[in-house]
Amino acid sequence: GQQLNQSPQSMFIQEGEDVSMNCTSSSIFNTWLWYKQDPGEGPVLLIALYKAGELTSNGRLTAQFGITRKDSFLNISASIPSDVGIYFCAGRGAGGTSYGKLTFGQGTILTVHP
Amino acid sequence: DSGVTQTPKHLITATGQRVTLRCSPRSGDLSVYWYQQSLDQGLQFLIQYYNGEERAKGNILERFSAQQFPDLHSELNLSSLELGDSALYFCASSLAGADTQYFGPGTRLTVL
Repeated sequence: GQQLNQSPQSMFIQEGEDVSMNCTSSSIFNTWLWYKQDPGEGPVLLIALYKAGELTSNGRLTAQFGITRKDSFLNISASIPSDVGIYFCAGRGAGGTSYGKLTFGQGTILTVHP
Repeated sequence: DSGVTQTPKHLITATGQRVTLRCSPRSGDLSVYWYQQSLDQGLQFLIQYYNGEERAKGNILERFSAQQFPDLHSELNLSSLELGDSALYFCASSLAGADTQYFGPGTRLTVL
């Protein structure tokens, strides 16, 4: 089945630093999504990407849909304490049995020191 | 607030028991998805319903079942519960099958 490798597993940074994380897949995805999850809460959608090569921003967050359609990147600029949480990438494959099904990465735990 | 509601927020039960988790999708969304999140497994897709019909199945155990009702709310039934079933269970909804999924706040199930 489809597998997503998300890295790094965790990051400890100082407030104000930039952050980069990425996901790679063993197969092609048609959609890449990035979510953030706070403790005890459900994942919240940050950015959705629908086209290879697409670069999309949401405030201090920027994500890209890799050209090969097998990877995606998320960057956070000038981190602040409220950026703390777990960031998940998720990909959706083509139609057929995988229609609608999201495959999630294992998550990147971000800690921001003031 | 994503607009997806889940009840109950917490559930504590014993092994061998059966529980039902409930989800109401965002207004207008036709698709409902169920996910299980445990510490060592991350977010695992269980099952998807679209307008009352099962659309896709993931790693859902035979002890688990789900359905989507005519008013589009969904229920996830977990039976013969085991300690390893303790996890967060999330529901998500989307307008249709290929649209962005919005997650509910989750139900934390503890099996003792």
